[in-house]
Amino acid sequence: DIQMTQSPSSLSASVGDRVTITCRASQNIHSFLNWYQQKPGEAPKVLIYAASTLQSGVPSRFSGSRSGTDFTLTISSLQPEDFATYYCQQSYNTPPWTFGQGTKVEIK
Amino acid sequence: QVQLQQSGPRLVKPSQTLSLTCAISGDSVSTTTAAWTWLRQSPSRGLEWLGRTYYRSKWYNDYAVSVKSRITINSDTSKNQFSLHLTSVTPEDTAVYYCARDLIIAVAGTWWLDPWGQGTLVTVSS
Repeated sequence: DIQMTQSPSSLSASVGDRVTITCRASQNIHSFLNWYQQKPGEAPKVLIYAASTLQSGVPSRFSGSRSGTDFTLTISSLQPEDFATYYCQQSYNTPPWTFGQGTKVEIK
Repeated sequence: QVQLQQSGPRLVKPSQTLSLTCAISGDSVSTTTAAWTWLRQSPSRGLEWLGRTYYRSKWYNDYAVSVKSRITINSDTSKNQFSLHLTSVTPEDTAVYYCARDLIIAVAGTWWLDPWGQGTLVTVSS
């Protein structure tokens, strides 16, 4: 199975900060990488698919990029509603799809 | 707007079968532009993809190797829903279980999970 290594596991940030989360795939997955946001007690929601395509309705402060097997989720200006846990997920070729371990974004 | 509504027991005894159902509104279980997926989440395993069912002139299934001998996912077109059955459960199967639609852009081969059901915490205990 393809391993997804996400970092950091947690971070503390203030409203207005620029936040960057990284995910590294164990092999080339091209751009078959999705990002999800999960709030306590809720199911994950997709933010970005295909590495950089913003899901409809997701604020433009969220963006995604790829460099080889490294992927980045950036929140340009952190808002109060963005405090949550973020996961990357690969969907390359055939299942099983695999997820990163998650990054918890907390209030500083 | 597509919505998924999960139902099923929250407590299952060891060695018994865990069964959950996901009712679909706003889409069809027989659509050829998606697959219907089950996942689970626990502190020890994180988010884990379990398997999916999908229709492409006939029904297909994909299952995770870790549960392949114990899992069945099937669909009910008359009720527009799909179900998870996991046999011979142990306390290690305790988790929040989610159903989700796995959407595809066929030309690009891109899949992503949207939406998800509300989640069901299933506890395996005697």
